[in-house]
Amino acid sequence: DIQMTQSPSTLSASVGDRVTITCRASQSVRTWLAWHQQKPGKAPKLLIYDVSSLESGVPSRFSGSGSGTEFTLTISSLQPDDFATYYCQQYDSFSSGAFGQGTKLEVK
Amino acid sequence: EVQLVESGGGLVQPGGSLRLSCSASGFTFSNYAMSWVRQAPGKGLESVSNIRSDGRRTYYADSVKGRFTISRDNSKNTLYLQMSSLRPEDTALYYCVKTSCTVCNLIDSWGQGIQVTVSS
Repeated sequence: DIQMTQSPSTLSASVGDRVTITCRASQSVRTWLAWHQQKPGKAPKLLIYDVSSLESGVPSRFSGSGSGTEFTLTISSLQPDDFATYYCQQYDSFSSGAFGQGTKLEVK
Repeated sequence: EVQLVESGGGLVQPGGSLRLSCSASGFTFSNYAMSWVRQAPGKGLESVSNIRSDGRRTYYADSVKGRFTISRDNSKNTLYLQMSSLRPEDTALYYCVKTSCTVCNLIDSWGQGIQVTVSS
């Protein structure tokens, strides 16, 4: 199975900051990489798919990049609504559904 | 609007069984692969099982292989997860999720989740 590793596990930041979360795959997932956002007590929500495509309704301050085994999620200017936990998910193989362990973005 | 409504969760003793159901609406159910994802208390997301749109191909995480069975009834727009030989470590919130194609893992919609607690 493909293993996904996110860093950092926790990130402390302030409103207006630019933040970056990294996701690494144990083998190439080509461009089949998504990011999901989860707020406390809520179901996750798809933010980005195919590395850099924004899901409908997602603000443009979110962006994704990378290919192969290394990917990043960037929030250009943090807003109060963005404090949440973020998960990367690879979908290169139907027979392997791997999530990263999550990155909790908290208020500094 | 896509709606995924899980049911069938609850408290069960170790070694027991439970069947989760997920009623889907707002999209053509038979056109999309579906999955179950779980989240243990205070933990991250774990992909449990996937099923192709026609039901003919499935995937199971090693942690549930041989104990859980995923299935679907496209005539009823319903996804199932039969869980047996349950263990305390299966305690989690179980999400029914829709993927974006017939055989893929890209999750584009999530249900609200159903709690499963395995305890004596």
